[in-house]
Amino acid sequence: QVQLVESGGGVVQPGRSLRLSCAASGFTFRNYGMHWVRQAPGKGLEWVAVIWYDGSNKYYADSVKGRFTFSRDNSKNTLYLQMNSLWAEDTAVYYCVRDRSVHYFDFWGQGTLVTVSS
Amino acid sequence: QSALTQPRSVSGSPGQSVTISCTGTSSDVDDYNFVSWYQHHPGKAPKLMIYDVNKRPSGVPDRFSGSKSGNTASLTISGLLAEDEADYYCCSNAATYTWVFGGGTKLTVL
Repeated sequence: QVQLVESGGGVVQPGRSLRLSCAASGFTFRNYGMHWVRQAPGKGLEWVAVIWYDGSNKYYADSVKGRFTFSRDNSKNTLYLQMNSLWAEDTAVYYCVRDRSVHYFDFWGQGTLVTVSS
Repeated sequence: QSALTQPRSVSGSPGQSVTISCTGTSSDVDDYNFVSWYQHHPGKAPKLMIYDVNKRPSGVPDRFSGSKSGNTASLTISGLLAEDEADYYCCSNAATYTWVFGGGTKLTVL
């Protein structure tokens, strides 16, 4: 079955960096686009970024553009989200999500919590 | 891109029906037939319930249905069960290769 397992979350000081990973299994990873979606405490879901199945295209929400970089290694079935210049507003649970047809998200991971605090 | 507008909460008794609305703009909900709905039990992974406005993935009960009129999409849950109690989020494609979610609706089964 499809499994998406995020890791790399933790507590980080404002202005510092953090890299999240997402290990995928149970499907042909290289055939699917993937997303990151986040949820701040007590808030709703927010789309963060998408990467094409082959990594050729990436798009970002305005709130993270220029600070976050989305990448993937299809040989390792793994996604990465490099997060730089983190602010308190980036505090959230970050979900790794599989794309379908660039229309919707069909499988979600359990999420990893990122807390930006001094 | 502003979030889509959902009621903060809805409630219903077991066996009843509830409808959750999701209002967007001409740049998202009204412009695309790509509205999806997600069920989220806190602490768990969100689950896809409806995609492309009114399609159900395999395994989702037919008690869940979706529709859209203009810039407002709706999720209707009929024959409410206790297990339906959760947060529900709508989502739509917005500008080129961006997505926007609703603020979420907490469904309480009385």
